[in-house]
Formats: sequence, structure tokens, C-alpha cells
Amino acid sequence: DIQMTQSPSSLSASVGDRVTIACQASQDISIYLNWYQQKPGKAPKLLIYDASNLETGVPSRFSGSGSGTDFTFTIISLQPEDIATYYCQQYDNLPLTFGQGTRLEI
Amino acid sequence: QVQLVESGGGVVQPGRSLRLSCAASGFTFSSYGMDWVRQAPGRGLEWVAVIWYDGSKKYFSDSVKGRFSISRDNSRNTVYLQMNSLRAEDTAVYYCAREGVPGSRSWIQQWGQGTLVTVSS
Repeated sequence: DIQMTQSPSSLSASVGDRVTIACQASQDISIYLNWYQQKPGKAPKLLIYDASNLETGVPSRFSGSGSGTDFTFTIISLQPEDIATYYCQQYDNLPLTFGQGTRLEI
Repeated sequence: QVQLVESGGGVVQPGRSLRLSCAASGFTFSSYGMDWVRQAPGRGLEWVAVIWYDGSKKYFSDSVKGRFSISRDNSRNTVYLQMNSLRAEDTAVYYCAREGVPGSRSWIQQWGQGTLVTVSS
């Protein structure tokens, strides 16, 4: 199975800050990496697919980059509504695997 | 718009069975792969199973292989997760999810609201 390692596991930032989350795969997954946002008590929501593609309707302050084994998720100007847990996930191979999550606080 | 509505969750004793259903609407159901993903209380996301758009292929996580099965009825726009020999560690919110590209494996694009399964005596 492909292991996905996210860092940090939690993060405290201020409104307007630039926030970066890293995700590392245990083997080359090309660009088959997605990012999800999950707010408490809610289902996850797709933000970024194929490493850098912004899902329709997602604000442009969210972005993703990377390929191979190393990926980055960025919020360029943190907003209060961005408080959530963020997960990376690979779909290069089954089983699909998720990172352990990054809890973002303000 | 796309809707995925799970049902069938509840409290069940260890060793018993439960079947979850996910009713889909707002898209051509028969064209998309469907997944189940679960989340234990206070924990992260764990993929459980996938079924191809035409039902031709099914895959499971090691943690449920041999105990869970997945099926779909494209005439009813519904996907099912049959869970047998349930264990305490299967306690979780179970999400039904749709993949993003018709006819092909891809990212998980849409999620249901989830249904809670509690395995307890």
C-alpha cells in the first residue's frame, strides 16, 4: 500500500496568513494526488485534484503543486471559514490512501 | 445537482450484519465508479471499497476483505455495502462517494452526508 504522510498534523495561523501543508507519498504517484477539506460534522469536500487542478467553485486562494512523491497545498490568504481538517489522498494505486490529516486552527 | 444519500446505519452487535444503501441522483449513475469511505470517531478517513461503473470490478481494503461486499443496481441508481461479521473497529461514519470521471478511475469528487454504524454489544 502507498503510505501518505502529511505535515504538520496541526497548524495555528492568523487570518490573512499564507498556510502550507506538505504531503509525501511512499512511492511515485505521478500527479494522482487530491486534497480535501473536512469541517467538523460534515463530509469531506474536494478542493484540488490531480495535484494542482482547482475543483469548480473552489476559491482561488487554494492551490496545490507537486508530482512524484512530494506535494504541497497552499492557502494564500487564510479566511475564518477555512478552519477545517485537510487531507491529501492518492489514487494512483488501490487501495486509495489518505494522509492522516492536518487540523488548521486560527 | 448531484446528491448521494446514505441509509441503513445504526447500532449492531459484534458478529452481526448490516447493509448500507446509497441513493444517487443528479447525474448518470451508470457511468461512474462508486466508493465507500469510512471515518471512525475522532479519526481520519479510510477507504473501504470501490465498484466500477458497470459493476465489473470490485476492490476492498484489507481491513474489510472477506467480510464486506459492494454491489450496485444501475436501474435503481443505488450502491450498496453489505457488511458481515462486524467488529467494534468497524464503528464509523460511512460515506458513499462518486468518482470524478465517467468510465474511469479517478479522484473522489462527490460525497454523501454519511451514515453512522456503531458496533457494540
